[in-house]
Amino acid sequence: DAGVIQSPRHEVTEMGQEVTLRCKPISGHDYLFWYRQTMMRGLELLIYFNNNVPIDDSGMPEDRFSAKMPNASFSTLKIQPSEPRDSAVYFCASSPWDRGTNSPLHFGNGTRLTVT
Amino acid sequence: GDSVTQMEGPVTLSEEAFLTINCTYTATGYPSLFWYVQYPGEGLQLLLKATKADDKGSNKGFEATYRKETTSFHLEKGSVQVSDSAVYFCALTHNTNAGKSTFGDGTTLTVKP
Repeated sequence: DAGVIQSPRHEVTEMGQEVTLRCKPISGHDYLFWYRQTMMRGLELLIYFNNNVPIDDSGMPEDRFSAKMPNASFSTLKIQPSEPRDSAVYFCASSPWDRGTNSPLHFGNGTRLTVT
Repeated sequence: GDSVTQMEGPVTLSEEAFLTINCTYTATGYPSLFWYVQYPGEGLQLLLKATKADDKGSNKGFEATYRKETTSFHLEKGSVQVSDSAVYFCALTHNTNAGKSTFGDGTTLTVKP
């Protein structure tokens, strides 16, 4: 299995530009998560989906952030317009559905976003 | 709500030293507990897990025991290697938040030769 695939690995953009981050989860996983990691705030959950439906977006910082999951094999996180404080590493993770709670998360290698 | 508290880092050890990273949690019911490891430039990856009280998770020489009486899940390794240098995250998944995990702040471990 190729694991969770994120693109691009690095993104450098200017303030005000639109940024789109992409994620391909592991096939067969029912849950998809978007996290943001910074030195100051650690690992933050932004939004997660179950069977392509957004379940909890309470972690999305503001209206500039949006996420979609048009099908089971693809998700995007969009920031428009971007600001310097959005600079962080963004991780996508997926997890298989399980009646219990012992399904771990499988993380991609992240997208390092720098907004100048 | 649920919470996970890890010992603050960074932790610096010499090769072959004994490692303990403390983790305590607050949750109702019976969550599953996890340790993840993050190497530089990579995402988090599962190190070990335990799904019920008194379970011991183990992998690559690391161990952690689910202690419900002390609400703890401390990570231990008897002899660390330079290649163990990484950030370690303790996490829980509670069955009332299906699929959603609560992570600790992470502990950075550096092992010197």
